[in-house]
Amino acid sequence: GDSVTQMEGPVTLSEEAFLTINCTYTATGYPSLFWYVQYPGEGLQLLLKATKADDKGSNKGFEATYRKETTSFHLEKGSVQVSDSAVYFCALSDRAGGTSYGKLTFGQGTILTVHP
Amino acid sequence: KAGVTQTPRYLIKTRGQQVTLSCSPISGHRSVSWYQQTPGQGLQFLFEYFSETQRNKGNFPGRFSGRQFSNSRSEMNVSTLELGDSALYLCASNLQGGGRGNTEAFFGQGTRLTVV
Repeated sequence: GDSVTQMEGPVTLSEEAFLTINCTYTATGYPSLFWYVQYPGEGLQLLLKATKADDKGSNKGFEATYRKETTSFHLEKGSVQVSDSAVYFCALSDRAGGTSYGKLTFGQGTILTVHP
Repeated sequence: KAGVTQTPRYLIKTRGQQVTLSCSPISGHRSVSWYQQTPGQGLQFLFEYFSETQRNKGNFPGRFSGRQFSNSRSEMNVSTLELGDSALYLCASNLQGGGRGNTEAFFGQGTRLTVV
């Protein structure tokens, strides 16, 4: 079945450092890929998405490129801020069966802490 | 426009009881999905409803059930509660349509269920 694997956390960085959170996936069809962020006590917010190979999703300085050849969707940001401290989830939505629009398969989440 | 609304936000129940959680999707969204989030298992898909029909179901026991009404609002029910059912239950709504661009899920803030 579908699966998503994220790098082990937690990740602790100083402000303005470069961030990479690795994400690889396994899917039977042609998935759409997402990064969601969860702040304490909140639900998930969509950070960015990519729906086909070589697409680059970007938002708020975060970027991720859909790499079909390596089945990866790594999250990057050039200069993190304290306000970026949160839990980040990589996810996929696989439409191979044609009826899975609403089903997301998530990675285990990566806790990011940014210190001033 | 209003986001996804889940009620109640917090709930404490006794083992053996049953519970009903409610989710109102974004206006115009026809797909509602439910997820269970726990520290040990992460985010796991429960089920998805579209136009009052369950379209997809995760690997949970029959004690977990749901339904969707004609106005797209959804409820999930857990019967004979167990301590292990303590979790954050998240609802997500999705604008159903054709093509890859409509696979973005919007999440509510969740219902925190504690079983004692």
